Amino acid sequence: QKEVEQNSGPLSVPEGAIASLNCTYSDRGSQSFFWYRQYSGKSPELIMSIYSNGDQEDGRFTAQLNKASQYVSLLIRDSQPSDSATYLCAVNGGGGSNYKLTFGKGTLLTVNP
Amino acid sequence: ETGVTQTPRHLVMGMTNKKSLKCEQHLGHNAMYWYKQSAKKPLELMFVYSLEERVENNSVPSRFSPECPNSSHLFLHLHTLQPEDSALYLCASSLSRHAGGGEQFFGPGTRLTVL
Repeated sequence: QKEVEQNSGPLSVPEGAIASLNCTYSDRGSQSFFWYRQYSGKSPELIMSIYSNGDQEDGRFTAQLNKASQYVSLLIRDSQPSDSATYLCAVNGGGGSNYKLTFGKGTLLTVNP
Repeated sequence: ETGVTQTPRHLVMGMTNKKSLKCEQHLGHNAMYWYKQSAKKPLELMFVYSLEERVENNSVPSRFSPECPNSSHLFLHLHTLQPEDSALYLCASSLSRHAGGGEQFFGPGTRLTVL
């Protein structure tokens, strides 16, 4: 059973701080990794994709991947109250299941003004 | 319309009703997906269609019946549902199921309540 594990939180940070969200996965064959943001009552929105070891930056967001440790993280710099949401980590299946995404349960982030 | 759209946005149905959920993608993608999202549980993949061919049926009960008439439209036909089927049903699309597990884009979802 392929698994994606996230700390459910809630993770609470003050406005302007760095929020760090973590994710581990079990399938060593996985090649694609995604972070989705989901506001309460809304659908998931893709915010970051990462495919190789190292860092991938987009504005205030940085995704980090370490395939040897099977670990993906998302850093949000200068956190804003509008970043308050549940963040879902998603990992593709290896081999013939590469189109299938396995999602974690998500981490609830609260940014306090 | 842009992106992925879903109708209806909310649906309340009895256990003996028959209803259908509709999804349409305007992204030129070739793969479409149905997911179920229940409280406190991860997103569950239900069905995958690639170029109108069903390539995945993730052990979903037969009371859920998908249909993909073309690469832009996806339906989920519902009949004799159970209260535990109440959830948010999400449609997603991606460029291709062969694109190395490419980025998937979600519609707004249908909030289903089964009485």
